[in-house]
Amino acid sequence: DVKVTQSSRYLVKRTGEKVFLECVQDMDHENMFWYRQDPGLGLRLIYFSYDVKMKEKGDIPEGYSVSREKKERFSLILESASTNQTSMYLCASSRGTSGRAAEQYFGPGTRLTVT
Amino acid sequence: AQSVTQLDSQVPVFEEAPVELRCNYSSSVSVYLFWYVQYPNQGLQLLLKYLSGSTLVKGINGFEAEFNKSQTSFHLRKPSVHISDTAEYFCAVTLSGGYQKVTFGTGTKLQVIP
Repeated sequence: DVKVTQSSRYLVKRTGEKVFLECVQDMDHENMFWYRQDPGLGLRLIYFSYDVKMKEKGDIPEGYSVSREKKERFSLILESASTNQTSMYLCASSRGTSGRAAEQYFGPGTRLTVT
Repeated sequence: AQSVTQLDSQVPVFEEAPVELRCNYSSSVSVYLFWYVQYPNQGLQLLLKYLSGSTLVKGINGFEAEFNKSQTSFHLRKPSVHISDTAEYFCAVTLSGGYQKVTFGTGTKLQVIP
């Protein structure tokens, strides 16, 4: 079974802090994704990566950056956390990007609160 | 670009009653369609997917969905729901061929009433 783990389930940070969210997958998947989930808005793609050291902006990249130094690990960075970044953050991975390979496997999520 | 619409944000249904969760997509080219379920305080997991072939797709936990190209719909159904089906359900679409982004709907919360 594919397993996607996220470093924290719950996180509380102060405004202005630098925040790191870590995601690790154990199935040698090429692609990894970061989403944020807000009530009534569904999942919105922040960034994705299709290879080590490669990254692409998603729909809402402002205020975020990412790092993928190893294939299994994809980090989301909030350079200076703000209250409007309070949200549930979901990491996902997929083997490919077409057909059945596009199926995404999700981690349990990190609920981040910025005060 | 593709888009997904889940018109019902919440669907209450009594236990053992049937349920249909609606999903419509827009795309001018071939698509792949997915339904994911999210139980409280968990990530999303795949319920079922349509890639090609039979338009009736069966998934886990007794759910099924029908791909209707003329109606651009992929509605999720279950003939008899259980309390444990209480969760949020997301429809997702991606285009066939090459690298394509997956677009998720806004989700439908299914509340099963005992």
